[in-house]
Amino acid sequence: DTEVTQTPKHLVMGMTNKKSLKCEQHMGHRAMYWYKQKAKKPPELMFVYSYEKLSINESVPSRFSPECPNSSLLNLHLHALQPEDSALYLCASSQDSAGQGGGEFGYTFGSGTRLTVV
Amino acid sequence: GNSVTQMEGPVTLSEEAFLTINCTYTATGYPSLFWYVQYPGEGLQLLLKATKADDKGSNKGFEATYRKETTSFHLEKGSVQVSDSAVYFCALTGRGTSGSRLTFGEGTQLTVNP
Repeated sequence: DTEVTQTPKHLVMGMTNKKSLKCEQHMGHRAMYWYKQKAKKPPELMFVYSYEKLSINESVPSRFSPECPNSSLLNLHLHALQPEDSALYLCASSQDSAGQGGGEFGYTFGSGTRLTVV
Repeated sequence: GNSVTQMEGPVTLSEEAFLTINCTYTATGYPSLFWYVQYPGEGLQLLLKATKADDKGSNKGFEATYRKETTSFHLEKGSVQVSDSAVYFCALTGRGTSGSRLTFGEGTQLTVNP
């Protein structure tokens, strides 16, 4: 299995809703990432988990709450979002863990969740 | 810090034309270099990579050579197809305290017309 699987593919939520995005990989990768991508822009890093521990939070608002229940799963819990949070949310994983240098294997990205906040 | 600069798009070509998308970088040490492709409505796919100077990455007819002397990693393809229409991102991962953090260029939109 060489894929990163993200669910759901599309999500529409109101500003008072609570929802979760899910990401799964079975490649034995020890680093997992959440990115946010706005139209016609490169992905922006939100969070990094390394060996199931949060290692990087790029000053993301607390209405986004990541969780890594085990080495294969990564969740992003959403609460009280704003319309400007509408974007494509990408999950990725990599063999090497963040902070150890190298990164020569590249990242494997999921196909993303298209989120619309109304 | 690390940075990646890509040629501005959009780029529009006819089928079978030659493609070059320029990419230059700034990084300390010896970064690994990547090209990612994003087809409409999809996530990013790793297209090719190079991990040391003079390495050539290649995949699906695309090539890029890691040039340390010019800090460049230009993407080329000899004959593009309509199916190559996508956004292409040049990226690097550094070494040291920045670890494997992926730094992207702004992306180049490629449209290939039949």
